[in-house]
Amino acid sequence: AQKITQTQPGMFVQEKEAVTLDCTYDTSDQSYGLFWYKQPSSGEMIFLIYQGSYDEQNATEGRYSLNFQKARKSANLVISASQLGDSAMYFCAMREGNPDSGAGSYQLTFGKGTKLSVIP
Amino acid sequence: DVKVTQSSRYLVKRTGEKVFLECVQDMDHENMFWYRQDPGLGLRLIYFSYDVKMKEKGDIPEGYSVSREKKERFSLILESASTNQTSMYLCASSTSGGALETQYFGPGTRLLVL
Repeated sequence: AQKITQTQPGMFVQEKEAVTLDCTYDTSDQSYGLFWYKQPSSGEMIFLIYQGSYDEQNATEGRYSLNFQKARKSANLVISASQLGDSAMYFCAMREGNPDSGAGSYQLTFGKGTKLSVIP
Repeated sequence: DVKVTQSSRYLVKRTGEKVFLECVQDMDHENMFWYRQDPGLGLRLIYFSYDVKMKEKGDIPEGYSVSREKKERFSLILESASTNQTSMYLCASSTSGGALETQYFGPGTRLLVL
């Protein structure tokens, strides 16, 4: 079974509108971290936002927010007021375990990504 | 700002050649990673290192080796390049602990093996 599932291969959004990119995850660990990255056509992976499994508040970073629903194992990315420069691939990723305890994994598992196109 | 650099943005090699991909980070991060990215498959971890001279296999280590002689540098080696190693290679680094474990990526190297 896939650990990270992004069900939307492609999405379109009108400029200045909000858009939600879906991500569901599968883990039996109690401690884990969830990440979103943006990859423009140039290729570099840009870190956007992080949510820890014990964080009670949803993470926010500027126009990005993470809608974290632990019971449903979902971590959707919300982009408000879309801009043309938001057109890119977006990847959800998960780190399982707790590196601080020495028993965790350093590895990130990525979803297959969602291609977002912002329409003027 | 965290900076991760990779030695080449584009590389063309012939089958059977030995290929070195270099990655350098300037943030004194303990952990470094090599991924490959292919259409429809997402990012897959090849190797990672959590300390100098230490390495761990990822999901797809076959055909690759790595070297970490200095903390800031992590090299990916293709001992005998094959056409199925044509891909985008991404290096990343991170420190440990909560949000600090965020992995920061380099710009990527697009490798074509003919």
